[in-house]
Amino acid sequence: GQNIDQPTEMTATEGAIVQINCTYQTSGFNGLFWYQQHAGEAPTFLSYNVLDGLEEKGRFSSFLSRSKGYSYLLLKELQMKDSASYLCAVRDSNYQLIWGAGTKLIIKP
Amino acid sequence: IAGITQAPTSQILAAGRRMTLRCTQDMRHNAMYWYRQDLGLGLRLIHYSNTAGTTGKGEVPDGYSVSRANTDDFPLTLASAVPSQTSVYFCASSDGESGTDTQYFGPGTRLTVL
Repeated sequence: GQNIDQPTEMTATEGAIVQINCTYQTSGFNGLFWYQQHAGEAPTFLSYNVLDGLEEKGRFSSFLSRSKGYSYLLLKELQMKDSASYLCAVRDSNYQLIWGAGTKLIIKP
Repeated sequence: IAGITQAPTSQILAAGRRMTLRCTQDMRHNAMYWYRQDLGLGLRLIHYSNTAGTTGKGEVPDGYSVSRANTDDFPLTLASAVPSQTSVYFCASSDGESGTDTQYFGPGTRLTVL
């Protein structure tokens, strides 16, 4: 079966750095996405990785290792507004997105 | 309209009733999707449409139907609602052409079936 694993919840301090991990086992791989979802709102796109390595976008970076079935989202200089759920999704061989259950990130002052 | 809209925002429905959730996008995206999101689970694909006039089944299609008469609209119908269909429903769209093919989501419909 297809599976995406992420920690259920993480806590971090304002101004710090946090790394959210995602491991996957899917039938085929055609890219990995990270989305942010604030409570009661829609998911919004953060990043996309299809090749191994690090993609940096301001305070957010995403890393991919296809051989290890592993990705992480790195958030720097955390702000209170970063409190949200972070969703990892993999596009499989049928070009459908398989979603993890999300990681709820709690930022404390 | 800018992006994707969904209606209604929320609904309480009696079991056995028929319900249509509406989704409209103005981005001229080819592909559209319906997901449900339940606590502790990832988003699950119900149905999708790669282009107007075509539809396909996702991971959890039973009890749901869709149509895609034009590019902009992708309604989801529950023929006879059951309590297990209580969920938050998200519609999404993507251009279906670019390498990234990012999906963009509507604000969601919170549905409660009693």
